[in-house]
Formats: sequence, C-alpha cells, structure tokens
Amino acid sequence: GENVEQHPSTLSVQEGDSAVIKCTYSDSASNYFPWYKQELGKRPQLIIDIRSNVGEKKDQRIAVTLNKTAKHFSLHITETQPEDSAVYFCAASYNDYKLSFGAGTTVTVRA
Amino acid sequence: NAGVTQTPKFRVLKTGQSMTLLCAQDMNHEYMYWYRQDPGMGLRLIHYSVGEGTTAKGEVPDGYNVSRLKKQNFLLGLESAAPSQTSVYFCASSYPGLAGDNEQFFGPGTRLTVL
Repeated sequence: GENVEQHPSTLSVQEGDSAVIKCTYSDSASNYFPWYKQELGKRPQLIIDIRSNVGEKKDQRIAVTLNKTAKHFSLHITETQPEDSAVYFCAASYNDYKLSFGAGTTVTVRA
Repeated sequence: NAGVTQTPKFRVLKTGQSMTLLCAQDMNHEYMYWYRQDPGMGLRLIHYSVGEGTTAKGEVPDGYNVSRLKKQNFLLGLESAAPSQTSVYFCASSYPGLAGDNEQFFGPGTRLTVL
C-alpha cells in the first residue's frame, strides 16, 4: 500500500516568515495529493490539493509543488499569520478517494 | 445543512464492552469513511464505503465492523473494545470526483477511551 512520510513533525516560525512542509510517497500510481489543516480540537479541513498532471498550484498565501520523478510534494505558506497555527496533513491517493495520510506537522506561528 | 455529524462526542468503555458510533451526512455524498487519529500517526483509514450497501476495509480494519444500510448513515462498531482502540474517531464523506472535486468533509470527531 501507499506510504506517506511527512517532515518536519513540528515547525515554529516567526509571524511573517514562510513555512515549508515536505512529504514523500511510495506508490508511483498515486495521482492526487491533498493537504488538510486541523486546528486544535477541530476537524480536518481541505486547504489545497494538486493532481499529478500539474507541477504547482497556488491559492493566495499557500502553494503546493509536486515532483513526480522524485515522488515528493511540498506545502508552502508565505507571510505566516497566527491563524496559520495548526496541524497540517499531507495525503496521497491513486483513486481520488482512498487517502493515505502523513503523520502531520504541528506549525506554530510566533507573534 | 448540518454537514457531517457524529454521535456520541465522547465515550468511555471498559475492556470487552461493545459500542456503535454513528455518522450521518446530509450532503447526498456517495462515499463515506471512518478514520482513527492517534498522536504522531496522522489519520488512518479503518473502513470505507463507496455507496449504500457497500463497505470495504481500509488500512487498520481489525477489531471494527461497519454498515451502510442507508446512504446518509455509516456506522462503526466495536464488538469487544480493547485499550488499543482508545483514539479519536473521525467520519468523513465525499462526492466521487465530480468536476474534480474530491474534498472529504469531516465530522467533529468522537473521543473514545477504553479502560
């Protein structure tokens, strides 16, 4: 089955700085890569996703890049704000719905 | 719309007891999922369903059973609870790939403790 590794497990950044989270996957058939954000005590929510036919996707301050050859993808958050503090999960899937999640990255934005 | 709801929110069981977690969605989604979330391990898929009357095993199905008798409901059962099943359980639902929309909508979670 698919194995997704996520790094780092914790990330502390100064407000206004950028944050980068990296994930690798094992199954070359995976073609869908979503990112979910989970605030403390809340449910996970989709923030951005990318398909294997696209190398990069942006949505305001967040962007995701994908390197199919190396089987890794990354989440970039620019101009971080206190509300960006949360746990972020990457995931991979070969059929759009059966997701394999990474272990999560706890992001703390320092004021 | 209520979205995805879960019952109960909290539960404490003794080893060997049984219980059923209920998930309901009012978005007419075909696909539904049960995950467990443990510290440092992310979200792991227990069972899922691609339509009414269907179920399939996920990554960690042992010790759990599921049923999808109605499209809007997905039940997760623990027949004989074990301390290793102490976790936060999330239900989710999605509409399969229509116009590229694969977002899974999660419920608020159920915190289960097995003593």
